[in-house]
Amino acid sequence: DTGVSQDPRHKITKRGQNVTFRCDPISEHNRLYWYRQTLGQGPEFLTYFQNEAQLEKSRLLSDRFSAERPKGSFSTLEIQRTEQGDSAMYLCASRRTGSSGTDTQYFGPGTRLTVL
Amino acid sequence: GQQLNQSPQSMFIQEGEDVSMNCTSSSIFNTWLWYKQDPGEGPVLLIALYKAGELTSNGRLTAQFGITRKDSFLNISASIPSDVGIYFCAGLPTSGTYKYIFGTGTRLKVLA
Repeated sequence: DTGVSQDPRHKITKRGQNVTFRCDPISEHNRLYWYRQTLGQGPEFLTYFQNEAQLEKSRLLSDRFSAERPKGSFSTLEIQRTEQGDSAMYLCASRRTGSSGTDTQYFGPGTRLTVL
Repeated sequence: GQQLNQSPQSMFIQEGEDVSMNCTSSSIFNTWLWYKQDPGEGPVLLIALYKAGELTSNGRLTAQFGITRKDSFLNISASIPSDVGIYFCAGLPTSGTYKYIFGTGTRLKVLA
């Protein structure tokens, strides 16, 4: 497989601007996850999709955050009116589920967001 | 959000030494994953474990699924400088949630 890809890898923006990130999961993986990671911490769950359906959102995901996976393939994460506290690494992961002994989750390289 | 207890938080070791780290939880898990993360990159999957007591190796890395299903261990033998990074465990609870819970990470530094 070609792995999970994310674009862009780095984004610098001014406070108040909107940003959008894209994730292309491993093909045939039906579950896609978005995480946020700050320095020294493990990934924190934001939201996940099964095919095109968004099934769960964390309380961390304020109204300024929205995610889509329109055709059950790639996904986008948009942050509106960015704040300095949004500065973090945003990670996408795709997951293969199935019979016992096959569940695995692979991460993309991440998008590093810096809000000035 | 919920995170697993991972220890040690950080460790400095000499090149060639063996390394051990672990993850513990109050919940029962049915899958454990171990990842390594380099600065500025996403976590890379190292080992996946699916059964209590399972011992799985990947080169110099060996991981075990604890018998109680509440913990997991990762060992690195004969460490080398490129082992530097942050190691994360992730567990999938049996409670029906659809997301992995992550450990707080172990930062490994290898002294040549």
